[in-house]
Amino acid sequence: EAGVAQSPRYKIIEKRQSVAFWCNPISGHATLYWYQQILGQGPKLLIQFQNNGVVDDSQLPKDRFSAERLKGVDSTLKIQPAKLEDSAVYLCASSFSGSYNEQFFGPGTRLTVL
Amino acid sequence: RKEVEQDPGPFNVPEGATVAFNCTYSNSASQSFFWYRQDCRKEPKLLMSVYSSGNEDGRFTAQLNRASQYISLLIRDSKLSDSATYLCVVIDDKIIFGKGTRLHILP
Repeated sequence: EAGVAQSPRYKIIEKRQSVAFWCNPISGHATLYWYQQILGQGPKLLIQFQNNGVVDDSQLPKDRFSAERLKGVDSTLKIQPAKLEDSAVYLCASSFSGSYNEQFFGPGTRLTVL
Repeated sequence: RKEVEQDPGPFNVPEGATVAFNCTYSNSASQSFFWYRQDCRKEPKLLMSVYSSGNEDGRFTAQLNRASQYISLLIRDSKLSDSATYLCVVIDDKIIFGKGTRLHILP
């Protein structure tokens, strides 16, 4: 069974530029999550989708971050404009249905903002 | 008090020893608890769920203490391959990961 796919794996941008990340969850998984993991910390949930609806985006900095999951399958996370403090690994995860199930994580996108 | 707290370690433990980690949480209404393992520069992977009655999987035992609001992970007969960061996850109306506890198993 294919796992969660993410691209790109690495991205280096300058502050104030824009960047987008893509995630394709495990087939059949209704719930998709985007996390931000800063070095030395645990993952922080940015947004959770159930199919194509948002369940929780309370920690998403909406002035610069946006995410969508059109058609309830793959998803994109965008940062515009980026700040230095956005340097982190952005992890996408999926679960069969809901946050009480095991989450399967993708390899992440390592973002460096200069 | 932080929502979820873990001892960051690192724990340096000789191979074959037993090691235990705790994770405290602040919301008494929290409903689900998990332990994830994260290897260096890799993604987290589920180690085990934590059930109210406690649960065991081979050398690993997870327990929940609702009265004192903490979960624990016990690793017996530790192996070199157990070296990793262990993340606790607490779910109430949101998903909260701890910062993780780093474990180094020494040969």
